[in-house]
Amino acid sequence: DIQMTQSPSTLSASVGDAVTITCRASQSVSSWLAWYQQKPGRAPKLLIYRASTLETGVPSRFSGSGSETEFTLTISNLQPDDFATYYCQQYNSYPYTFGQGAKLEIK
Amino acid sequence: QVQLVESGGGVVPPGESLRLSCAASGLTFSKYGMHWVRHVPGKGLEWVAFIRYDGDKKYYSDSVKGRFIISRDNSNNTLFVQMSSLRPEDTAVYHCANGVRTYVGGGYYAEYFQHWGPGTLVTVS
Repeated sequence: DIQMTQSPSTLSASVGDAVTITCRASQSVSSWLAWYQQKPGRAPKLLIYRASTLETGVPSRFSGSGSETEFTLTISNLQPDDFATYYCQQYNSYPYTFGQGAKLEIK
Repeated sequence: QVQLVESGGGVVPPGESLRLSCAASGLTFSKYGMHWVRHVPGKGLEWVAFIRYDGDKKYYSDSVKGRFIISRDNSNNTLFVQMSSLRPEDTAVYHCANGVRTYVGGGYYAEYFQHWGPGTLVTVS
């Protein structure tokens, strides 16, 4: 199975800041990587697929980059609604696997 | 808009069975692969099972293989998972999600999860 490791696991930031979350795969997943946002008690929401393609309706302050084994999610100009947990997920091969999550907290 | 709504969760003792459903609306259900993903309380997300748009291909995680069966009814826009021999470690919120298929070559397709349901809680205790 492909292991996905996110860092940091928790980060604190203020409204207006920019943050970056890293996701590393234990082997190449090409560009078959997605990012999701989840809030407590809610369904995960797709933000980015194919490593850098923004899902329709997602604000442009979210951006993704990377390929093969290293990927980043950057959120610029943080808004109050952005404080949540973020997961990366590889869909290069089954079993699809997720990172352990990165919780973004308000400083 | 797309709606996926899970049902059928509850509290069951270890070794028992449970069947979850996912009712879909707002999308052409029969054109999408469908997935079950679970979220263990206090932990992360785990992909559980996949069924192709026509029901002819199914994949499972090792943790549920041989105990869970995924199925679908395209005439009623509904996804199912029959869970048997349940264990305490199966306790989780179970989400269904539709997959968007991308051809990656070599006859292989990859799917990311576009829309998710809010989930249904299964407690094995």
